[in-house]
Amino acid sequence: GQNIDQPTEMTATEGAIVQINCTYQTSGFNGLFWYQQHAGEAPTFLSYNVLDGLEEKGRFSSFLSRSKGYSYLLLKELQMKDSASYLCAVINSNYQLIWGAGTKLIIKP
Amino acid sequence: GAVVSQHPSWVICKSGTSVKIECRSLDFQATTMFWYRQFPKQSLMLMATSNEGSKATYEQGVEKDKFLINHASLTLSTLTVTSAHPEDSSFYICSARVLELDTGELFFGEGSRLTVL
Repeated sequence: GQNIDQPTEMTATEGAIVQINCTYQTSGFNGLFWYQQHAGEAPTFLSYNVLDGLEEKGRFSSFLSRSKGYSYLLLKELQMKDSASYLCAVINSNYQLIWGAGTKLIIKP
Repeated sequence: GAVVSQHPSWVICKSGTSVKIECRSLDFQATTMFWYRQFPKQSLMLMATSNEGSKATYEQGVEKDKFLINHASLTLSTLTVTSAHPEDSSFYICSARVLELDTGELFFGEGSRLTVL
């Protein structure tokens, strides 16, 4: 089967750094997305990785290792507004998008 | 970026009635749109892939006669929940992929929260 694993919930402190991990097992690989979703809202795009390595975009960075089936999303200088769910999603060889269940990130002052 | 508009944002209906949700791509043509539902604290679940001018492709376990999808134009797809029941209450989200973008990024509508009484 195909599955994506990420922690259910994480807690971090305002101003700190947090890393959200995602491991995947899919039939082929054509890219990995990270989306942010606030409660009751649609997801918004954060990053896309298709090659190994680190992609940096402001306070957010995303890393991919295809050989390990592993990615992480790194959030720096955490702000209260970063409290949300973070969804990892992989495009498989059939160009289907496989979604993780999301990691709920709680930011404390 | 590309904009996808979804309407209505929320709807309350009586059990047994039908509800139509619209998904429009405002500044691009979307040959393919995706319909998801999401229960509280759960991941997005793909219901169907909507293809312009042809029948939608439904995921396993999704009743095509209950969730009618019509993609009549390159900018509009509709999802109709027929004979809605309380268990159909959920957050329904549409998305479209802009093929011209290398990332294949999905752009999401705002979502429609359906409550069936």
